[in-house]
This record gives sequence, structure tokens and C-alpha cells, in this order.
Amino acid sequence: GAVVSQHPSRVICKSGTSVKIECRSLDFQATTMFWYRQFPKKSLMLMATSNEGSKATYEQGVEKDKFLINHASLTLSTLTVTSAHPEDSSFYICSARGSSRVYNEQFFGPGTRLTVL
Amino acid sequence: QKEVEQNSGPLSVPEGAIASLNCTYSDRGSQSFFWYRQYSGKSPELIMSIYSNGDKEDGRFTAQLNKASQYVSLLIRDSQPSDSATYLCAVLDRGSTLGRLYFGRGTQLTVWP
Repeated sequence: GAVVSQHPSRVICKSGTSVKIECRSLDFQATTMFWYRQFPKKSLMLMATSNEGSKATYEQGVEKDKFLINHASLTLSTLTVTSAHPEDSSFYICSARGSSRVYNEQFFGPGTRLTVL
Repeated sequence: QKEVEQNSGPLSVPEGAIASLNCTYSDRGSQSFFWYRQYSGKSPELIMSIYSNGDKEDGRFTAQLNKASQYVSLLIRDSQPSDSATYLCAVLDRGSTLGRLYFGRGTQLTVWP
């Protein structure tokens, strides 16, 4: 149990385009989903936290108009990187947390590697 | 700012040895602790969670928690080359209703054959 999927796993795009990343909890209901970014050999950086049906809570320094998060259902959250630029190239990872005693832990998706040319 | 500190490593042990990974945290009231393993180029994978003082064993992994000392550790017995990865210590933010985790910077472990 506790499987989280992400799609796509890898994307290459031109500067100025928008990229949507999907995060799904496959076998549990995720009341909360988290979006992280990780640069090579660096620590995980939390970007935002989203609750189903609510607006996302962004960490300080993360532009909410650039990184649009939608948590439309208990199994799906999306991150849209708008007008992507080369400095947005990174490894984006979502995680999901359920509300039950068993799935109170945070489980990570496999990540999406974004390259902006 | 709540802090989670890990011994920076890198840690290198021979195959079959015990690898010991340590973590301290700043929030004395923290209740929930997790160890994640992250292979190079991959996302973190939850390997252990611990909530009570003492030891918790799962296969070759043992997590140890001492809340009085604000210390949590992970022991890997009979280390294998496949255990070579970065190990992340995480602490649940008790002030967050959404279950936010604070992560340490990770300890890179290499197990050589």
C-alpha cells in the first residue's frame, strides 16, 4: 500500500512554456499533499502544502503565481510551473499523507525531472 | 526555525558491518520521527517511523529514539552495497495540522564490498 505516482517522470520544454505535473495517491486518500524541489546534491526544499479543496500554503520565497497548485480531489494534486525558465530546471517531488492511523506517514512519488532549455 | 541535524558524513563501512546514522532535533516536544532512504537520482523512500522512546526493529534496520536527549538514530546491520544511499532524518512539525516534516540534510552512506 501507500503508493504515490507522478507524471510525467521527465519533461524537457522551451523557456516560456508551462508544464503541468500530476501527483496521485493510488491506494489511499491523501488529505494533504506536499510539493518539494531538489537541486543536484542538495537538500529537499518544501515548496508548498495543499489540502484537498483548499488553497495551497506556500513556503516563504516561493512564487504562488509561478507555481500553481491544485488539489482537486483526495487522490490528485497538480503543480503547474508557469512560464518556465532555465532556473526552474530541477527535480520536483510530491508526497502524500493520509488521515488514517496507518497512512499518517508521508509517502513520496517518484519525482519529475524538469529541464527548461 | 525547527532544526534537524544529521552527522554530515559521508559514512563509509565495509559490507557486513553495522552502519550507524545519527540525528538530533531542536523541538523538545516533537513526537514523530522518520527515516527515509534516497538513492542517487531517485525520490525518498520511507524505511522507518518511530514514535516512542526505545528501539524499533524492522529486518536489518533498527531505529532508536531518546526524546530526553532529542536524539534519534538508525542502525543498519549486515550492511550491503545496496544500502549505499543518502539517509534522511525527518521530524513531524507538531505545530502543523497538515503534517509538515522537517528534514535533515542527509547522511551519505557508502557500503563497500
